[in-house]
Amino acid sequence: SQQGEEDPQALSIQEGENATMNCSYKTSINNLQWYRQNSGRGLVHLILIRSNEREKHSGRLRVTLDTSKKSSSLLITASRAADTASYFCATDTGGGNKLTFGTGTQLKVEL
Amino acid sequence: NAGVTQTPKFQVLKTGQSMTLQCAQDMNHEYMSWYRQDPGMGLRLIHYSVGAGITDQGEVPNGYNVSRSTTEDFPLRLLSAAPSQTSVYFCASSSGQGTYEQYFGPGTRLTVT
Repeated sequence: SQQGEEDPQALSIQEGENATMNCSYKTSINNLQWYRQNSGRGLVHLILIRSNEREKHSGRLRVTLDTSKKSSSLLITASRAADTASYFCATDTGGGNKLTFGTGTQLKVEL
Repeated sequence: NAGVTQTPKFQVLKTGQSMTLQCAQDMNHEYMSWYRQDPGMGLRLIHYSVGAGITDQGEVPNGYNVSRSTTEDFPLRLLSAAPSQTSVYFCASSSGQGTYEQYFGPGTRLTVT
């Protein structure tokens, strides 16, 4: 079964607005990662947060992790049309080789 | 570096046929994995390898075989294709040396009729 569930399934915003996606998972993790997938393409790694971290930033991305609630959120600030893609969270429960992916959030950023 | 490459990009098979999906990486990564992606679902792990000669099963291994004779290559074999194996298949690799970022190939879209 899927480890991660993402919310919302789809999100449509205007360029310049912020986009927030949430991920919940079921078991203890070593780290949680976020990936982006453009239509018809492979996944691209965005950011990784370790289980002992609570917040991490990378450019316009901000990730939070709450291990007590088994949840994470990805915030994209000042969104651009080029951010239109599907976003997936993935949990690593050990070893760094076995990722379990969520169902994804489809983000559409309109001009 | 070419990164992770996959061939073919598209494939149509008839039920019962067998085939091999190819995956290669030129980053000298120890870890390689195969995932399948179905509509409305995230990626599910089929098989993975932590180094040449070492493979293990993921979440959905039935109907698939893998081997890892070299660091660079990690082929996925469908033994007897079934319509339920219609999916997009992604290969990924990671260095496995304290960094856990996975690099994905462009995918193979497989249809089984």
